[in-house]
Amino acid sequence: GIQVEQSPPDLILQEGANSTLRCNFSDSVNNLQWFHQNPWGQLINLFYIPSGTKQNGRLSATTVATERYSLLYISSSQTTDSGVYFCAVLNYGQNFVFGPGTRLSVLP
Amino acid sequence: DTGVSQDPRHKITKRGQNVTFRCDPISEHNRLYWYRQTLGQGPEFLTYFQNEAQLEKSRLLSDRFSAERPKGSFSTLEIQRTEQGDSAMYLCASSQAGSGNTIYFGEGSWLTVV
Repeated sequence: GIQVEQSPPDLILQEGANSTLRCNFSDSVNNLQWFHQNPWGQLINLFYIPSGTKQNGRLSATTVATERYSLLYISSSQTTDSGVYFCAVLNYGQNFVFGPGTRLSVLP
Repeated sequence: DTGVSQDPRHKITKRGQNVTFRCDPISEHNRLYWYRQTLGQGPEFLTYFQNEAQLEKSRLLSDRFSAERPKGSFSTLEIQRTEQGDSAMYLCASSQAGSGNTIYFGEGSWLTVV
C-alpha cells in the first residue's frame, strides 16, 4: 500500500517563528488533507489539497502531486498551534492513510 | 452542534469484557469511517461504510471487532473479549461523497483495558 512519511518528527519553536512541515507519499493520490490534532485528541481538518496551493490565515499548504509531496507552512506561530500535524492521503481507494505526524511545540 | 459525535468519550474495562462505541456522523454525510490511534502514532484505518453498506475492512479488524451502521445514520463499533492491546483511541469520521471527500473527525473514544 501507499507509504506516507512526514518530517520533521518533532519541532520546537519560539512564539512568532515560522515553520515548514513536509509530507512525502509513495504513489499517486487523488486526495490529500492536513489535520491538526490538539492536546485533547481532536483532529481538525486544516486543508483539502490534492494539488496546488491554499491559504487560510497564518497557515498555507502546497501540494506538488507530480513530485509526491506536500508542504504545510505556519507563519507567526502561536502557542495554540502546538499539537501534532498529520498528513493523510487517499490512493484512489476510500480509506485515508495517515503519516506518523509532526509534533509541534510552540514556546511562549 | 452538527459535528461528528462519539460516545462514550472514555471507557475503562476489564480484560475479557465487551465494549461498544457509538458514532453519530454529520447528518448529511453518507460515508462513515472508523480509525484507531495509539499513543505516538497516526490514526490507522479500521473500516468504512457508505450508507449502511460496509465496503472496506482493514486486516486490523480481527474477528473480535464488529461494526454496523444499520440505517445508514449512526454506527456502532463493538469489541468482544477485550485485550490490553485494544487500548487506544477509537476515532469516527464522516464525509459526503462528491465534496472532495473532506473528512471530519469526532473527538474520539478512549479505551483503556486493565
